[in-house]
Amino acid sequence: AQKVTQAQTEISVVEKEDVTLDCVYETRDTTYYLFWYKQPPSGELVFLIRRNSFDEQNEISGRYSWNFQKSTSSFNFTITASQVVDSAVYFCALTYWGKLQFGAGTQVVVTP
Amino acid sequence: SAVISQKPSRDICQRGTSLTIQCQVDSQVTMMFWYRQQPGQSLTLIATANQGSEATYESGFVIDKFPISRPNLTFSTLTVSNMSPEDSSIYLCSVIAGVGDTQYFGPGTRLTVL
Repeated sequence: AQKVTQAQTEISVVEKEDVTLDCVYETRDTTYYLFWYKQPPSGELVFLIRRNSFDEQNEISGRYSWNFQKSTSSFNFTITASQVVDSAVYFCALTYWGKLQFGAGTQVVVTP
Repeated sequence: SAVISQKPSRDICQRGTSLTIQCQVDSQVTMMFWYRQQPGQSLTLIATANQGSEATYESGFVIDKFPISRPNLTFSTLTVSNMSPEDSSIYLCSVIAGVGDTQYFGPGTRLTVL
């Protein structure tokens, strides 16, 4: 069965600090996708990044970067130089048969 | 990506009544899903809305409680039937669009049952 674990319930930082969100997953599939979504207080779910199981190259996109390590089943996400607008709940998710299994989410609070 | 709209955006309903939520996509999509997010919780998949056939429900969700229609490739409805306060949640539809099984979500319907 698929499982996604986000052990961090809440992270509080001061603006301009970096924030790293942890995600550990379990799956028996050999081909899968991993995602990060952001849910600001307004409630909509915003797609941030996708990584497929065959591509372990870590990338940077603007202030976002991610570290995918298949050997440890981890898919961590970093926000560099955080801003108040980054305050939101961040969800890690794993696909199975086209559906999504979400983690519990991590609340990020960025204060000025 | 895809542009997804939902109606209503929010509603307050009385116990025992039913509410139908609409989901409209700006392009034809094969896969469409309905999720529930209870207060302070993560998202849980209710069902996959299949065009031209009955929806496929996840464990713990039944058609009598959450009937779903999918008349075409751009539209679906979810009905929350015989509501109780425990049904107070955000209901979101999503579609797979673009590459890599990426799901895009509608803005959600915030339901409060009194």
